[in-house]
Amino acid sequence: GESVGLHLPTLSVQEGDNSIINCAYSNSASDYFIWYKQESGKGPQFIIDIRSNMDKRQGQRVTVLLNKTVKHLSLQIAATQPGDSAVYFCAEKGGANNLFFGTGTRLTVIP
Amino acid sequence: NAGVTQTPKFQVLKTGQSMTLQCAQDMNHNSMYWYRQDPGMGLRLIYYSASEGTTDKGEVPNGYNVSRLNKREFSLRLESAAPSQTSVYFCASIWLRGQETQYFGPGTRLLVL
Repeated sequence: GESVGLHLPTLSVQEGDNSIINCAYSNSASDYFIWYKQESGKGPQFIIDIRSNMDKRQGQRVTVLLNKTVKHLSLQIAATQPGDSAVYFCAEKGGANNLFFGTGTRLTVIP
Repeated sequence: NAGVTQTPKFQVLKTGQSMTLQCAQDMNHNSMYWYRQDPGMGLRLIYYSASEGTTDKGEVPNGYNVSRLNKREFSLRLESAAPSQTSVYFCASIWLRGQETQYFGPGTRLLVL
């Protein structure tokens, strides 16, 4: 079955620096991926998505990169702010349009 | 527009007790989902409802039942709670099954003693 994992469980960055959160997936047939942000005590919040026919997609201060060759996904956050501190999940679309989530990376922004 | 709402926010149960977690969305979404989130793990799908009147099992359905009461509401029932069901439960919805972006509620924290 599918598995979605993250290389690092925690990441600390200085305020103003760029953050890169990585994710690996195992199902080469997956065609849709989402990044979610989850703040403490809240539900996951959609950040950005990407389809497998794209390599890169940009949003406001965020960029998602997809490398299908090595089945790797990354989320880049520009000029990281204290409000970016949260747990970030990648999710992979499985069969029946259900999502499979990774274990998450906790991002801590140091003021 | 409240989005996805869940009740209760917190609940403590004794082993063997039953309870129903409520979820409602006011976005006119067709599909609704129940997930559980355990420490150090991502969300795992329990059950989902692609449309009103239909429900299907997800990755971890054992010990749970669901009801899609109407288009707005999707409830999750634990008939006989077990300590292994201690978790945070999230409800989510999407407009169409073909659109994958899921919108999540704030979660219900459940402790089974």
